[in-house]
Amino acid sequence: DGGITQSPKYLFRKEGQNVTLSCEQNLNHDAMYWYRQDPGQGLRLIYYSQIVNDFQKGDIAEGYSVSREKKESFPLTVTSAQKNPTAFYLCASSTILGPEIDEQFFGPGTRLTVL
Amino acid sequence: RKEVEQDPGPFNVPEGATVAFNCTYSNSASQSFFWYRQDCRKEPKLLMSVYSSGNEDGRFTAQLNRASQYISLLIRDSKLSDSATYLCALPRPTLGRLYFGRGTQLTVWP
Repeated sequence: DGGITQSPKYLFRKEGQNVTLSCEQNLNHDAMYWYRQDPGQGLRLIYYSQIVNDFQKGDIAEGYSVSREKKESFPLTVTSAQKNPTAFYLCASSTILGPEIDEQFFGPGTRLTVL
Repeated sequence: RKEVEQDPGPFNVPEGATVAFNCTYSNSASQSFFWYRQDCRKEPKLLMSVYSSGNEDGRFTAQLNRASQYISLLIRDSKLSDSATYLCALPRPTLGRLYFGRGTQLTVWP
């Protein structure tokens, strides 16, 4: 089945540790996105990538880093510089239709708790 | 001003009611928009895609009002299973991204 996988579903880390969240898609989508969602809040864009080996900062990139070495994979590292890392992290992907933006499909998310 | 503004609610309605949500946007270049549904502690799932002035799918109708710069989602004959958070999303093609509203929480009671 085609889809987006994120692992793990729940992640606990000690304060000061870097942690990497996995996102893989087999939909052959060009674009991939990372969002953060806090309780009762909407989605805030962290980073996104439209092509391999290229990515752009979103609205809240500070304290995060990404890489896009393969089309299928877009891992997100939450660094110790991120002041409030506890949140629900969602990865998404979409096709690119020329000048238009197509709908995004989301993975099941990773709940990160920093103790 | 935020790209997309959405009333968070909550909206509490009885079964069978009609309920409408709006999102206002600031960038008038949007040619399409999307509505997502998000259940508690789950990922958002696409509810409707709209590439012109509107779209209808069963009990759900989405419309775009370009003059007033808002999009709407109308749910008719509400079901208990419609209880969820509904997020609007508008594209910014020049930036290659979507802007999401913060979501409107709907609870349908029996």
